[in-house]
Amino acid sequence: EDKVVQSPLSLVVHEGDTVTLNCSYEVTNFRSLLWYKQEKKAPTFLFMLTSSGIEKKSGRLSSILDKKELFSILNITATQTGDSAIYLCAVEARRNQFYFGTGTSLTVIP
Amino acid sequence: NAGVTQTPKFQVLKTGQSMTLQCAQDMNHEYMSWYRQDPGMGLRLIHYSVGAGITDQGEVPNGYNVSRSTTEDFPLRLLSAAPSQTSVYFCASSYASGGAGAKNIQYFGAGTRLSVL
Repeated sequence: EDKVVQSPLSLVVHEGDTVTLNCSYEVTNFRSLLWYKQEKKAPTFLFMLTSSGIEKKSGRLSSILDKKELFSILNITATQTGDSAIYLCAVEARRNQFYFGTGTSLTVIP
Repeated sequence: NAGVTQTPKFQVLKTGQSMTLQCAQDMNHEYMSWYRQDPGMGLRLIHYSVGAGITDQGEVPNGYNVSRSTTEDFPLRLLSAAPSQTSVYFCASSYASGGAGAKNIQYFGAGTRLSVL
């Protein structure tokens, strides 16, 4: 059975802290792994990773994939209150079949 | 820049009622899908479509029907609503997966919050 597991389920940090969110997966025919940020409404796209070891960066956010160990991490440095959200990891396991983890709820306290 | 549009935003139904959740996209995406999001369960795929006239089941299809008569629209039908279908529903679209690359990114609508009493 294909599955995507995220940890931790929730996290509370202070502004300026650095956080690491984890996503592990067991799927058939891995195609890509995606990270989304979900605030009050629709998930919005952050990163897509397809190859191991290549770090994707966007400002204070970065992500890397390890296809051998079947996991990805999302790092957020110098966190701000605007980073408070649910972070979702999704894997395209078969053509056009996306499996999502339960998400990590991040709260950044001023 | 409409993107993916879902209607209604909120809906309350009684058990046994039927309704259709609407989803439209203006990006000419081949792939469209419906998810439900429940606390502690993440997003689960209900049905998806890789093009007009083609639909397939996802993880949790029971109790839902879909059709895709045009590229733009992908409605989700609940024929006889049950309390277990209380959830937040998201529609998403992307280019159909043909290989690794940016075209596989899904864009989501704002969601429909459905309560079945």
